Amino acid sequence: EAQVTQNPRYLITVTGKKLTVTCSQNMNHEYMSWYRQDPGLGLRQIYYSMNVEVTDKGDVPEGYKVSRKEKRNFPLILESPSPNQTSLYFCASRITGYLNEKLFFGSGTQLSVL
Amino acid sequence: QKEVEQDPGPLSVPEGAIVSLNCTYSNSAFQYFMWYRQYSRKGPELLMYTYSSGNKEDGRFTAQVDKSSKYISLFIRDSQPSDSATYLCAMSARNAGNNRKLIWGLGTSLAVNP
Repeated sequence: EAQVTQNPRYLITVTGKKLTVTCSQNMNHEYMSWYRQDPGLGLRQIYYSMNVEVTDKGDVPEGYKVSRKEKRNFPLILESPSPNQTSLYFCASRITGYLNEKLFFGSGTQLSVL
Repeated sequence: QKEVEQDPGPLSVPEGAIVSLNCTYSNSAFQYFMWYRQYSRKGPELLMYTYSSGNKEDGRFTAQVDKSSKYISLFIRDSQPSDSATYLCAMSARNAGNNRKLIWGLGTSLAVNP
């Protein structure tokens, strides 16, 4: 089954404790992206990657890191989480190319930073 | 002013009703228009995609784009309880680069009551 898999689904942590949210897709998509979703603010892009070893900042990259060492994986790293990073996080992927706009989303990671 | 405006609702309708969901936008460069459906505690999934102006129909769903008014709509005919979800509009510009960054509405929450 074609899918984007995120882990964990729920995570509660404390301020300053480094964490990684994993994302993996099995569709051989070049493009991958991380979003956070907050009430009243909607979906905001954190980072994106056009292909292996190619990453770039989205609209809200502060406090986050990413890496793209393999095509299928795109982990999101919070080196020193803070309470304002409490949010619902989504990983998404798609193929690149003209008129290929369909984003496939993971099921989300609900993060609480205390 | 936000680039994309969407009434968050909530919208509550009886089963079988025709539902109209709308977004307005300010950027005349937008060419790609999408509707995503998001069930509770799930990632968004692409429902309808339209390039430039006009109508597109898929089963009970019809997407309309009026570029002269900068207004897009999603109509749901014979609405079902399974249509209860949040509906997000999204759009991007033709020359937005490889990222083709999507600009998202905040989403409209829809409840279809049996």
